[in-house]
Amino acid sequence: QVQLQESGPGLVKPSETLSLTCTVSGYSISSGYYWGWIRQPPGKGLEWIGSMYYSGSTYYNPSLKSRITISVDTSKNQISMKLTSVTAADTAVYYCARVASTGWRFDYWGQGTLVTVSS
Amino acid sequence: DIQMTQSPSSLSASVGDRVTITCRASQSIYSYLNWYQHKPGKAPKLLIYAASSLQSGVPSRFSGRGSGTDFTLTISSLQPEDFATYYCQQSYSNFRLTFGGGTKVEIK
Repeated sequence: QVQLQESGPGLVKPSETLSLTCTVSGYSISSGYYWGWIRQPPGKGLEWIGSMYYSGSTYYNPSLKSRITISVDTSKNQISMKLTSVTAADTAVYYCARVASTGWRFDYWGQGTLVTVSS
Repeated sequence: DIQMTQSPSSLSASVGDRVTITCRASQSIYSYLNWYQHKPGKAPKLLIYAASSLQSGVPSRFSGRGSGTDFTLTISSLQPEDFATYYCQQSYSNFRLTFGGGTKVEIK
């Protein structure tokens, strides 16, 4: 069974960089698939952040493209994201997920981690 | 961007009711439409993909229909565990995946 678990600081100061890690178990990232990040601000809907193939191909949400970097560490079986110059608008629950083999749907998700941007 | 609009934003229903949620795309997305169930504090769960295909392990009371711009998710007989928020997601544009605003299904 594929399992994903997000981790990272729950509080980030404005203008700083938000860094999160997603640890995957039950499946080797280097075996394939795209992996993605999605977020949900309090009281709002889901927003796709970006997706990355294990070998390096990436797609980013154009609204975040200048601030987001997604990377993969196959040795640790982890996916990471960094979001720079954060503001209160980046406060959200952040999820990592696996993109299914066809159709750009997310078939496995982590439980999510709340990140609050505040001084 | 392809905008996804769900309606209603919330609804109240009773156990055993038939419930239908609508999702409309701002342009044709053919059948590139997925549905998720999301409960507070839990990971979202894929229910339906490619507009009408049931994800493995999902009860058959869930069904999806539609193509082009108009789609529906139907729960044929609402169960207590189905009270949640439901989201549609277009996967036509993989350069900009977008979700609907969600439909919260509450107990009447």
